[in-house]
Amino acid sequence: NAGVTQTPKFRVLKTGQSMTLLCAQDMNHEYMYWYRQDPGMGLRLIHYSVGEGTTAKGEVPDGYNVSRLKKQNFLLGLESAAPSQTSVYFCASSDASYSGETQYFGPGTRLLVL
Amino acid sequence: SQQGEEDPQALSIQEGENATMNCSYKTSINNLQWYRQNSGRGLVHLILIRSNEREKHSGRLRVTLDTSKKSSSLLITASRAADTASYFCATVQGGSEKLVFGKGTKLTVNP
Repeated sequence: NAGVTQTPKFRVLKTGQSMTLLCAQDMNHEYMYWYRQDPGMGLRLIHYSVGEGTTAKGEVPDGYNVSRLKKQNFLLGLESAAPSQTSVYFCASSDASYSGETQYFGPGTRLLVL
Repeated sequence: SQQGEEDPQALSIQEGENATMNCSYKTSINNLQWYRQNSGRGLVHLILIRSNEREKHSGRLRVTLDTSKKSSSLLITASRAADTASYFCATVQGGSEKLVFGKGTKLTVNP
């Protein structure tokens, strides 16, 4: 099993450009999450999904959109990138979240917005 | 907003010594988890302790939970250079679907 994979690994954008980050998991997990990690800030939840076709806002959703058209994929979109979105983005998945089960993380995507 | 807060922010020890990291949180929780992050990598789950448990072991790791003090500690015994990483606690508040992470403790184990 590959676990959780993220594409791309690194990307440079200019302000105003758009892009989509792809997360894929092969563990048949229901729940998927997108986090951003900034120096000294820990991980902050952007959006999450509790199943195929569902999405919900996390702590810092502004400027991002997500879609979960297939159970194994969770896409994070930036419609108009801003320098404040320079960060490392992590995707995670878990089997169930009603009791906060273990989350499995991808390797991350480093995004630089100029 | 962060629920858990790790202490210390950074810790440097010699190989073979024990490392203790603490996590404090604010509201009632379902469980508390510890994760490790090596530099430039994703987070890896270490251990989960539920609110009705007081202590849990996994190899060289020992986690305690004191719900009355809203705190947890992670002890790594006989540390190795490979333990060098950042360690995060994460909590799930009652009725929530979300993990809330602290800012982490950066552990350096010197050979």
